[in-house]
Amino acid sequence: DGGITQSPKYLFRKEGQNVTLSCEQNLNHDAMYWYRQDPGQGLRLIYYSQIVNDFQKGDIAEGYSVSREKKESFPLTVTSAQKNPTAFYLCASSTRRRRSFSGNTIYFGEGSWLTVV
Amino acid sequence: AQKVTQAQTEISVVEKEDVTLDCVYETRDTTYYLFWYKQPPSGELVFLIRRNSFDEQNEISGRYSWNFQKSTSSFNFTITASQVVDSAVYFCALSSPQGGSEKLVFGKGMKLTVNP
Repeated sequence: DGGITQSPKYLFRKEGQNVTLSCEQNLNHDAMYWYRQDPGQGLRLIYYSQIVNDFQKGDIAEGYSVSREKKESFPLTVTSAQKNPTAFYLCASSTRRRRSFSGNTIYFGEGSWLTVV
Repeated sequence: AQKVTQAQTEISVVEKEDVTLDCVYETRDTTYYLFWYKQPPSGELVFLIRRNSFDEQNEISGRYSWNFQKSTSSFNFTITASQVVDSAVYFCALSSPQGGSEKLVFGKGMKLTVNP
């Protein structure tokens, strides 16, 4: 089945550790995204990538890093510089038209819960 | 600036009641897209509808209907004859060129609880 797979579902991090959240999609989508969700809040964009080997910061990129070496994969690393990392993280993907804005639908994975212990 | 406001944070209804979820948006662009997503307790965001700014026709899909009014910058979502399975957090979102290609700006979500 086509879709977006995030792993792990639950992750615990000790203070000072870096952790990496995995995101894989087999939808053949060009664009991929990482969003963060805090309780009672909407989703905020961390990073996005519209093409392999290219990515841009979103609204809350500090303390996070990403890579896009393959079209189907967009891992997110939560570094020790992220002061409040406990949250729900959602990966997403969409198709992309290169020349015009098209408001393509963004599809989401099942999310990963990260807790600092 | 782009912004999506969902003024209601939480609503509780009894099964079979109708419920309307409000969404008000702000954008300077003339071309934009509006979305609704459902987030059940499992956490995944489920896509419900996408509407472009040039299509003001209301849409109905089963028990779901959407009312898009550009004059008031609103894109409201109505669930008719609600069911317990409708219990979830619902998000309204906006995508426009000003916000950056294919990025979504979300409202804070509205938690709907449908009681049997």
